[in-house]
This record gives sequence, structure tokens and C-alpha cells, in this order.
Amino acid sequence: ETGVTQTPRHLVMGMTNKKSLKCEQHLGHNAMYWYKQSAKKPLELMFVYNFKEQTENNSVPSRFSPECPNSSHLFLHLHTLQPEDSALYLCASSKTRNEQFFGPGTRLTVL
Amino acid sequence: AQTVTQSQPEMSVQEAETVTLSCTYDTSESDYYLFWYKQPPSRQMILVIRQEAYKQQNATENRFSVNFQKAAKSFSLKISDSQLGDAAMYFCAYREGETSGSRLTFGEGTQLTVNP
Repeated sequence: ETGVTQTPRHLVMGMTNKKSLKCEQHLGHNAMYWYKQSAKKPLELMFVYNFKEQTENNSVPSRFSPECPNSSHLFLHLHTLQPEDSALYLCASSKTRNEQFFGPGTRLTVL
Repeated sequence: AQTVTQSQPEMSVQEAETVTLSCTYDTSESDYYLFWYKQPPSRQMILVIRQEAYKQQNATENRFSVNFQKAAKSFSLKISDSQLGDAAMYFCAYREGETSGSRLTFGEGTQLTVNP
């Protein structure tokens, strides 16, 4: 247990569905991150939020829409995804100058 | 742009032996942090060890230690007395600066197998 939880752990969706991934951290951190981990590829940073403000969008397609209502919660809203979006989506959080703590991930399959 | 390279896609070690995983990085910054993360089959990313660039002393955490060569931009991980539970994918990562929200740049990973 790292203090970062993600739900759901597994998600299967069709290309026309709309779904959301949720991340919650109980560590008092002020920054939260979304990463995508595909097979045979390094982790790819998607979004960064610092004190609820988005500070980085790593050229992510608009079919991925993040939301950060407060420093403890982070969402990733998904719509009209493609099969190549199937991957493990990891959430992480951190405090100033410290390392990032990761959640267990959501395994997403797009049919 | 910062890059992190792990040149060993796979490594194996006998139980109780020592193994070293390699990592090199490229940066023009002088203030940064380096990390090794472990990802076992559960896919949970776990921090193994961290190194601040301004510290000359190599970081150590129990059986895990690093060899940090700043001039050579090298950051290798040594695992001593390897255990079956050490089997995992190991990622080297770089982070710049001191502010929160700083991005982590990861290497491609090294899959470590521990043979009984």
C-alpha cells in the first residue's frame, strides 16, 4: 500500500463508451500525475496537476480529459477511445522535492 | 530534453548473488534527482532508492545501493544477496529541480529474473 488508490483496477470498454478512471491519494501531497504504460514502451507522462492546476499536458489526444477537483483526487475521463489506447494507466502523487508514489494502476482494454 | 537509457532489456541472477543494472542519462542541468523503481508482476511501482545529484555519497538502502557517476551521467543499481522477491521490472528515472509537479522521465526498463 503506497497511499495512492485507483479504481477500477480493470476496465473493458467499447470505442463508443464513456468511462472515468479515479485516483485518490491519502498522503497530503500537492501534485498528481497520470501515466500511460504500454507493452514494450517506457512510461509516458500524460498530465501533471500541481495544487489542482494543470501544469503539463504531454500532447495527449482530447479523447482523454483529466479533472482535478482537489489535491487529493484526480480523474481521467475517457470517450471514443481507440484500441491502441489499451494500456495500464498509472496515477502518482508527490510533494515538493520528493519522489512520486504510484497507485496500483487501471488495466484498460478498448474493444 | 532529458533522456534516460537502460541498455539491458533483461538480466538474470542466481539467488544470493549480486547483480548490477545499468542506467545512463542525458541532461544539461546540475540540480536533479535520480530514482530506481521496481515493478513486480502485480504492476505496482515501488520506489527502491533515490539519489540527489548534489550529494557525492552513493545512496544505500539495505541490499540495494547505487553507483552514481555524475560526470559520466551514469546511475547503476547494485542488488546484493538477491532474493526471489527481487524479480521484477526495474526502471531508472530522472527528475529535474525542486518544485512539486516536476516530471519523471523513465528508462525503458530492465526485466530481472532471479534463479533459485
